[in-house]
Amino acid sequence: KAGVTQTPRYLIKTRGQQVTLSCSPISGHRSVSWYQQTPGQGLQFLFEYFSETQRNKGNFPGRFSGRQFSNSRSEMNVSTLELGDSALYLCASSLSAGTSEAFFGQGTRLTVV
Amino acid sequence: DQQVKQNSPSLSVQEGRISILNCDYTNSMFDYFLWYKKYPAEGPTFLISISSIKDKNEDGRFTVFLNKSAKHLSLHIVPSQPGDSAVYFCAASAGVSGGYQKVTFGTGTKLQVIP
Repeated sequence: KAGVTQTPRYLIKTRGQQVTLSCSPISGHRSVSWYQQTPGQGLQFLFEYFSETQRNKGNFPGRFSGRQFSNSRSEMNVSTLELGDSALYLCASSLSAGTSEAFFGQGTRLTVV
Repeated sequence: DQQVKQNSPSLSVQEGRISILNCDYTNSMFDYFLWYKKYPAEGPTFLISISSIKDKNEDGRFTVFLNKSAKHLSLHIVPSQPGDSAVYFCAASAGVSGGYQKVTFGTGTKLQVIP
């Protein structure tokens, strides 16, 4: 069974640009969550999608958005990039929104210059 | 407001000894707790969990203890092995409206097991 796939693995963007990250969950999993990891901040919750609907949202500005498709694949978008957006973005998939154990992808390392 | 806190950013332990990683939480609504392990350049992997109705859960070398009155949990690794060197994240989960679980992670503790 394939794991959680995140693309691209690495990305370099300049300030002001926008970026779209992709996540393909484990087959059969319907819940996808996104996290931002920065040194000293741990894993900060961005949002969770279940059946194409955003169920939970963290404390991030509106520049951060996401969506989920009918096949459960999810994308997150960051517009007007800032230097502070440089981080590892992790996607986690779960069978359902009520399941606590999540499986993480390897992440996308975003660097904003 | 950091609801899940791992106050030790790093820990060094000799191979064969016990590693104890600590985690404190503030939200009394948390009812499920998890530990994840993360190697560099990889996503976190689930390690062990415990429900709030229990105070101990054991899986091989890994044991998690939960003290609800103190809002504290700990992960014990016995014996510690060099391959255990990684960042360990504590996470807590609570039901939100609509029956969905929201998971909150701590900031992580970097464990180094010295051969």
